[in-house]
Amino acid sequence: GESVGLHLPTLSVQEGDNSIINCAYSNSASDYFIWYKQESGKGPQFIIDIRSNMDKRQGQRVTVLLNKTVKHLSLQIAATQPGDSAVYFCAESSGGSYIPTFGRGTSLIVHP
Amino acid sequence: DGGITQSPKYLFRKEGQNVTLSCEQNLNHDAMYWYRQDPGQGLRLIYYSQIVNDFQKGDIAEGYSVSREKKESFPLTVTSAQKNPTAFYLCASSSYGQTSREAFFGQGTRLTVV
Repeated sequence: GESVGLHLPTLSVQEGDNSIINCAYSNSASDYFIWYKQESGKGPQFIIDIRSNMDKRQGQRVTVLLNKTVKHLSLQIAATQPGDSAVYFCAESSGGSYIPTFGRGTSLIVHP
Repeated sequence: DGGITQSPKYLFRKEGQNVTLSCEQNLNHDAMYWYRQDPGQGLRLIYYSQIVNDFQKGDIAEGYSVSREKKESFPLTVTSAQKNPTAFYLCASSSYGQTSREAFFGQGTRLTVV
């Protein structure tokens, strides 16, 4: 079936660097995307979302980019901090189904 | 405070037992979901409910059952038919018709078979 997937399972960066986490999706009907952050032993928390009528959306220290042509989504974290260490998931849904479908996740490790 | 509460945080099950995981939300959300998460893996959908007294199977419903008798509650029963139940279980809810389709998650229940 159609799914959301991630390119890299683990990303290690130095504190202060910018981080980029990628996500590929295959459902052409997907029109809404969310990035979640999950800390160890906890439930995922919302970071930022983007609709398919947008290419870019910015939040505090985070930017999400959407390329519908190649069905690719990325999360950019500026000035990465140790507290950003977590697993990051992208999730997609379509107007026909509000059910979020999750990818495998990327573990971000930030070294002080 | 509004949110989703899962209980218990840790649960141990003996072989052949049924166990029920609790999920309560006070966000007035119509939709509720149960996901299973295995180590190093993403979230897989077990069951979902879009309205009271109605629910649908997700991708991995075998060995699980749910009920939705009240809007705020969506308990999950892990039956003895689930051959590999050890996992982290996450409950979520979301609201339709809003600008955001964000799913709000509980803190999870870690189930271990002993």
